[in-house]
Amino acid sequence: EVQLVESGGGLVKPGGSLRLSCEASGFSFSTYSMNWVRQAPGKGLEWVSSISSSSRDIYYADSMKGRFTISRDNAKNSLYLQINSLRAEDTAVYYCANWYTSRGAYEYWGRGTLVTVSS
Amino acid sequence: QTVVTQEPSFSVSPGGTVTLTCGLMSGSVSTSHYPSWYQQTPGQAPRTLIYSTNIRSSGVPDRFTGSILGNKAALTITGAQTDDESDYYCLLYMGRGIVVFGGGTKLTVL
Repeated sequence: EVQLVESGGGLVKPGGSLRLSCEASGFSFSTYSMNWVRQAPGKGLEWVSSISSSSRDIYYADSMKGRFTISRDNAKNSLYLQINSLRAEDTAVYYCANWYTSRGAYEYWGRGTLVTVSS
Repeated sequence: QTVVTQEPSFSVSPGGTVTLTCGLMSGSVSTSHYPSWYQQTPGQAPRTLIYSTNIRSSGVPDRFTGSILGNKAALTITGAQTDDESDYYCLLYMGRGIVVFGGGTKLTVL
């Protein structure tokens, strides 16, 4: 069974930092590009960042450049997202998903982890 | 900045047919954007319905059909069921690792 389990969310003060994790199982993690997608409360899905299977290619949405850093550890089947200088508008559920390149689409999604930025 | 457009909301009667669309504010959607569609119910993770314009993901009922209609991608639900009441998001691949979601369509079945 494929599982993507996010963790690391929580309540953080503005200006703080967080490192989100996504642990994968049930599929060949090291062969897939991986993505982070977020969803603010009551809002739509927003692509955050992607990383290729080897970590060679990394992309960010324009609004995420500078404060967000995506990384992965294929030996641990894990994906990470470091978020610095957190702002209230970063409050969202953060999902990880694997990117099926030949389909041009996400295949599996995690359940998400909630990040709340508030003083 | 690329803007992907979707109808904010749509309503369909049980058993009816509805077509949701996914467009680009500047330009046309084509198969080279690999349009995909995702279903999300409140409090749940998204579920992949359609990829590469018109291919159903495993386990997706055949009442869901993807296509290109004119200059937009489209998701047609034929014989809508109450379980289909959800938010639907399209996603377009813009190249060089960049993808953009549409704003989503809230579908009501009543």
